Amino acid sequence: DAGVIQSPRHEVTEMGQEVTLRCKPISGHNSLFWYRQTMMRGLELLIYFNNNVPIDDSGMPEDRFSAKMPNASFSTLKIQPSEPRDSAVYFCASSYRVTYGYTFGSGTRLTVV
Amino acid sequence: ILNVEQSPQSLHVQEGDSTNFTCSFPSSNFYALHWYRWETAKSPEALFVMTLNGDEKKKGRISATLNTKEGYSYLYIKGSQPEDSATYLCASRGGGADGLTFGKGTHLIIQP
Repeated sequence: DAGVIQSPRHEVTEMGQEVTLRCKPISGHNSLFWYRQTMMRGLELLIYFNNNVPIDDSGMPEDRFSAKMPNASFSTLKIQPSEPRDSAVYFCASSYRVTYGYTFGSGTRLTVV
Repeated sequence: ILNVEQSPQSLHVQEGDSTNFTCSFPSSNFYALHWYRWETAKSPEALFVMTLNGDEKKKGRISATLNTKEGYSYLYIKGSQPEDSATYLCASRGGGADGLTFGKGTHLIIQP
């Protein structure tokens, strides 16, 4: 298995633009998580899905953020409109069961200028 | 919201020495405790998942213990090697919530 695949690896965009981050979880994993990594706050859970259904989105910072998982092999995290304070590394992770560890993707480094 | 604390924030250890660091988490409504190893420019990699009070897990020179009643876990590294240099994250999961809450990590540097 190629692991959790995220794209793009790096994204630089101007303030106000829409940004879409993509994630392909490991086949057979039924839980998918989106995290944001910043120096100040560390890894923060934004949202997670179980069997493609959003379970908890309480970590999504604002209405500008939205996430979807249309099928078991694909998820997106969208920011519209983007702001400089959204600059961070965004990680996607998947898990087979809650008693298993997560497998993280390589992350997307987002810079909003 | 869980509050997961790790100490120390950073640690310099001489090659060959053993070391340990701490993760504390709310003991109420506990479900699972994870440890991850995060090397620079890579993604976090799962080391251990522990659920029961008194659990001990071991992988090579690295081991971990869990005390759910008092809300702490220790990670031990025996005979540190330069390749052990990384940030070690712990994360807790409370009952009813599948998402993990991460601590900010202990940044370990092994000096040759």
